[in-house]
Amino acid sequence: DAKTTQPPSMDCAEGRAANLPCNHSTISGNEYVYWYRQIHSQGPQYIIHGLKNNETNEMASLIITEDRKSSTLILPHATLRDTAVYYCIVRVQGAQKLVFGQGTRLTINP
Amino acid sequence: GAVVSQHPSWVICKSGTSVKIECRSLDFQATTMFWYRQFPKQSLMLMATSNEGSKATYEQGVEKDKFLINHASLTLSTLTVTSAHPEDSSFYICSGAVDLNEQFFGPGTRLTVL
Repeated sequence: DAKTTQPPSMDCAEGRAANLPCNHSTISGNEYVYWYRQIHSQGPQYIIHGLKNNETNEMASLIITEDRKSSTLILPHATLRDTAVYYCIVRVQGAQKLVFGQGTRLTINP
Repeated sequence: GAVVSQHPSWVICKSGTSVKIECRSLDFQATTMFWYRQFPKQSLMLMATSNEGSKATYEQGVEKDKFLINHASLTLSTLTVTSAHPEDSSFYICSGAVDLNEQFFGPGTRLTVL
């Protein structure tokens, strides 16, 4: 699976949009971009995934660049409960493993 | 989304004892279950992958005789830490997959070995 690079930490004000970047410059054509988050002392929670088109669900939006070498997870109106570590993972659809990197520790400030 | 439970949520044991952690998929049948370990301030590390009715596949560096995994049914997998030592203290997380496109994670079990 391709390696991803994320900033170790970010801060965002409550109510503002949180934009979390992820670089995956070695991504292959059949690899998807997945985002999970882990709130302190809990198991990871699936957020969203995509291949090349932008995706949106009730939790977030995923913007993937045209060359697919980077992506941005957008939490449109961040709340204090969005404070967590966010993991960007790329993997082949149907592959068994999820390989977690260090992620981005997002802190939402009141 | 689908729900995965773990039991116990935390356990404290003496060095040398064995501890069993259960992972259950409550509203779906998990053909594949995964076990992860997470040390403080670190990311999740995959320990092993198990498919119902067959032997688990362990990641490099994970001792299969120390971390016994049983996946006897489509809704239950167990991880037994045998002869636990303080260095085994960690946060153990399981996940279940219906197909291989999405994994649903349990809430984790915090193991402390004294």
